[in-house]
Amino acid sequence: EIVLTQSPDTLSLSPGERATLSCRASQSVSSSYLAWYQQKPGQAPRFLIYGASSRATGIPDRFSGSGSGTDFTLTISRLEPEDFAVYYCQRYGSSSYSFGQGTKLEIK
Amino acid sequence: QVTLRESGPALVKPTQTLTLTCTFSGFSLSTSGMCVSWIRQPPGKALEWLARIDWDDDKYYSTSLKTRLTISKDTSKNQVVLTMTNMDPVDTATYYCARIPGTYNYGYFDYWGQGTLVTVSS
Repeated sequence: EIVLTQSPDTLSLSPGERATLSCRASQSVSSSYLAWYQQKPGQAPRFLIYGASSRATGIPDRFSGSGSGTDFTLTISRLEPEDFAVYYCQRYGSSSYSFGQGTKLEIK
Repeated sequence: QVTLRESGPALVKPTQTLTLTCTFSGFSLSTSGMCVSWIRQPPGKALEWLARIDWDDDKYYSTSLKTRLTISKDTSKNQVVLTMTNMDPVDTATYYCARIPGTYNYGYFDYWGQGTLVTVSS
């Protein structure tokens, strides 16, 4: 089974700064099947990015995804107060799904 | 407008069977490519995919849990049901159902329910 490892576990930044979150797969993942989610306390995950780099409907363009193979990145160009949350990457393959352990983005 | 809502017991005893229902609107599971999955999240931990059911009644399960899981659908009621047998305290989690827009891509969950917390305790 492909394991997704996210880094860092916690990222402390200030509003207005740029955030770079990493997701590394133990084996190559099709870019078509790599997604990102945002989750705030007490809420369900919110779908952000699919196909490694395509934004979901209604997602601000400060969110961008990139990467291929085993290394993927979620970038938030300029942090807004509402962006502080936990972010998960997720892959699909062989009719199964797995998530990374999450990166907590906290206010510095 | 797509919505999903999970329902089921908040508390189950060890060894019991858990039955959860996902009631959805805004799409049909009879539409080619459409799928619904169950995902869970233990308190303070990461998300874990459990099962998926497709419009054509194909079913897929987490390898580690497949002996305990059954997923089914009632298309006329817009419902998907998940049963999990032999519940254990480690199964305490918030259980989510989510839609997969397989018509476009099977690789992601675009709409989620709000989740239901299930506690396993005697």
